[in-house]
Amino acid sequence: DGGITQSPKYLFRKEGQNVTLSCEQNLNHDAMYWYRQDPGQGLRLIYYSQIVNDFQKGDIAEGYSVSREKKESFPLTVTSAQKNPTAFYLCASSIVGSNQPQHFGDGTRLSIL
Amino acid sequence: AQSVAQPEDQVNVAEGNPLTVKCTYSVSGNPYLFWYVQYPNRGLQFLLKYITGDNLVKGSYGFEAEFNKSQTSFHLKKPSALVSDSALYFCAVSPTTDKLIFGTGTRLQVFP
Repeated sequence: DGGITQSPKYLFRKEGQNVTLSCEQNLNHDAMYWYRQDPGQGLRLIYYSQIVNDFQKGDIAEGYSVSREKKESFPLTVTSAQKNPTAFYLCASSIVGSNQPQHFGDGTRLSIL
Repeated sequence: AQSVAQPEDQVNVAEGNPLTVKCTYSVSGNPYLFWYVQYPNRGLQFLLKYITGDNLVKGSYGFEAEFNKSQTSFHLKKPSALVSDSALYFCAVSPTTDKLIFGTGTRLQVFP
């Protein structure tokens, strides 16, 4: 079955540590997205990419980095510069075009030790 | 600034009764409109979208949404609620870019 796989489901970070969240899709979608979800705030866009080797900052990119070396993969690194990283992180993909729905993975919950 | 508002944090409805989850938007031009549903500790699932045409859009699981251009609203409806419909619902708007602007979500609670 086609879909988006995020791993791990739960992740813990120590102070000063960088962590990387994985996102893989087999839907053959060109566009991929990373969102952060906090209670009562909806989803906020961190980074997005519409083609391999290119990506753009979203609304809250500070303290995060991404890469897009393969069409299927869009990993997100939460750096030590992100002072409040505890959140639920969602990856999505879509066909390029603003009328296309986005398909979501089941998320990674990141917590601080 | 472009925005989406879901004015109710929670909507409570009895099983078998009709439900409405409200959404209004402030976006220039003619945006595309979406509804998604999220179950606990899961990602969002696409329910329906409005692109153009008929103002009443039908989607998955018996949900429908009514687009009203003059009121800039896109309310989600269902004629008869089920307990299994209890979840978090998000309205989203896509301006003429590939980015989505999400509302803050409305928690739907359906009581038996």
